Amino acid sequence: QQQVKQSPQSLIVQKGGISIINCAYENTAFDYFPWYQQFPGKGPALLIAIRPDVSEKKEGRFTISFNKSAKQFSLHIMDSQPGDSATYFCAVSTGNQFYFGTGTSLTVIP
Amino acid sequence: GAVVSQHPSRVICKSGTSVKIECRSLDFQATTMFWYRQFPKQSLMLMATSNEGSKATYEQGVEKDKFLINHASLTLSTLTVTSAHPEDSSFYICSAITGGRGYTFGSGTRLTVV
Repeated sequence: QQQVKQSPQSLIVQKGGISIINCAYENTAFDYFPWYQQFPGKGPALLIAIRPDVSEKKEGRFTISFNKSAKQFSLHIMDSQPGDSATYFCAVSTGNQFYFGTGTSLTVIP
Repeated sequence: GAVVSQHPSRVICKSGTSVKIECRSLDFQATTMFWYRQFPKQSLMLMATSNEGSKATYEQGVEKDKFLINHASLTLSTLTVTSAHPEDSSFYICSAITGGRGYTFGSGTRLTVV
């Protein structure tokens, strides 16, 4: 059973636009919600993460919005750039258990 | 920050041979490491959880005898693909849990079986 559902599967955004990727989960025991960025031929790398005691976390152009009651969280990439083109994975975690979404392939066109 | 080093980054082997992939935690001790397989433009598929000093736990559908995992020390886990076939060609990635809820991936290994 998929612990976290991620959408969309792929996303095409114009340079300068906003990219939004969504994830939803069911288990309220999850208490850590990271996002990973993966470039072709490389392993995923931690991009940004949030804990459920805050509703938003911003790091540069990347923002996580977290809705605890809806059990949803999303990644927003402001002023998207071609260099942001990559696959993005959300994850949910409790303790040492990590579960990953199915990934979103983002393409930012110039 | 915590670094997981994976080697080799690319390997080509002949069908029927075995190939070993190494995953090292460089600046921390990893009692647990994970091995993933990823097909082009697809998600991460967890293959097995590697525990230092004990047998690995394999996910359903993963052949234990084909994908041998050894976690002999707190900084090294290896994945050996035995009797490789072209269908084993894939991108293999290891990962480890670091301190403070960190989860770090290696850089991946592109295996091509010809």
